Amino acid sequence: NAGVTQTPKFQVLKTGQSMTLQCAQDMNHNSMYWYRQDPGMGLRLIYYSASEGTTDKGEVPNGYNVSRLNKREFSLRLESAAPSQTSVYFCASREGIRGYSPLHFGNGTRLTVT
Amino acid sequence: DQQVKQNSPSLSVQEGRISILNCDYTNSMFDYFLWYKKYPAEGPTFLISISSIKDKNEDGRFTVFLNKSAKHLSLHIVPSQPGDSAVYFCAASGEGFKTIFGAGTRLFVKA
Repeated sequence: NAGVTQTPKFQVLKTGQSMTLQCAQDMNHNSMYWYRQDPGMGLRLIYYSASEGTTDKGEVPNGYNVSRLNKREFSLRLESAAPSQTSVYFCASREGIRGYSPLHFGNGTRLTVT
Repeated sequence: DQQVKQNSPSLSVQEGRISILNCDYTNSMFDYFLWYKKYPAEGPTFLISISSIKDKNEDGRFTVFLNKSAKHLSLHIVPSQPGDSAVYFCAASGEGFKTIFGAGTRLFVKA
């Protein structure tokens, strides 16, 4: 059982380049999330999808776009990367729709923007 | 403004002793609180949770205490083991789908 799978694991971009971070879950979860982790800041929510076909902004959505491709897949796109987007990105999914249902995380994508 | 605060960036404890990790929150609409544990190069994993209608929840060596009037919760690990060395995130949820995380506390358990 793979759980939540993120690709790639590592990526280095130059300022202005674009890329898409991929995420897939095999737990038949309805809601999916993208977080970024920065030192001293914890995990901050970028975007989330409560169900297939819907997406909403989180705490720090600027500079990002998302696509809920189907129930399994939720991608995060950086159209024009900036050094401030250097971070570790985590995708997560949840069985329920309320906060009492724990999040299941992937192992992250470490992104460096030079 | 951070709604969930973990004011101790790190904590060092001797093996076998108690570890106490603290968390404060500001939003009184939060009704569910969770702790996650994170090892290097891995994603966070769920550890234990508590509903706002309770003041204590226990699971083996891990106990979470909630003080609603003080908007404070704590995670107790007894006895602490070297394998508990990790970053611990406090998280809070309310209406809707968002979960808000604290900045994390790095726990070192010395053998």
